[in-house]
Amino acid sequence: IAGITQAPTSQILAAGRRMTLRCTQDMRHNAMYWYRQDLGLGLRLIHYSNTAGTTGKGEVPDGYSVSRANTDDFPLTLASAVPSQTSVYFCASSADGWGNTEAFFGQGTRLTVV
Amino acid sequence: AQSVAQPEDQVNVAEGNPLTVKCTYSVSGNPYLFWYVQYPNRGLQFLLKYITGDNLVKGSYGFEAEFNKSQTSFHLKKPSALVSDSALYFCAVRPSGSARQLTFGSGTQLTVLP
Repeated sequence: IAGITQAPTSQILAAGRRMTLRCTQDMRHNAMYWYRQDLGLGLRLIHYSNTAGTTGKGEVPDGYSVSRANTDDFPLTLASAVPSQTSVYFCASSADGWGNTEAFFGQGTRLTVV
Repeated sequence: AQSVAQPEDQVNVAEGNPLTVKCTYSVSGNPYLFWYVQYPNRGLQFLLKYITGDNLVKGSYGFEAEFNKSQTSFHLKKPSALVSDSALYFCAVRPSGSARQLTFGSGTQLTVLP
């Protein structure tokens, strides 16, 4: 079934540890995104990639990094986790990066930093 | 900067009654507008979008939304609510003609009472 796969589905992480959230899509979409969802704040964009080999910063990029080595994969890395990074993280993709097409979302990764 | 406001955190409606979930936006230039729905423990799902053309947009599951440029609004509507419509609804906006990404509202929890 075509779509977006995120891993892990949930994780408890000690503060200061490094963590990579994985995201893979099989729709051959050009654009991919990472959002975090926090109660009362909606979804906030962390990083995005309009096409393989390029990335850009979103609204809340500090403490996070991404790479886009190929079309399908878009991992999000927390170099040194802090409790404020406790959140639900969603990966998404869209056919283009210009807003003409809708985004498809993964199931989310629930991350707790203690 | 672009922004989206969903003034109601919670909307309750009786099954069979019409429902409205409000959204207003601020963006430079012409907007691209979207509605997404999120069911518990799931990622967001696309409902409908306005890019250009007819101000009344029809989407999935019987939902529709009306673009009102003078009021900068894009309210989501459905003539007859179902209990299964209970979910978290997000409005999103981005300006046309640029590579900037979607900005989401904070979300409105819709509860349809049987």
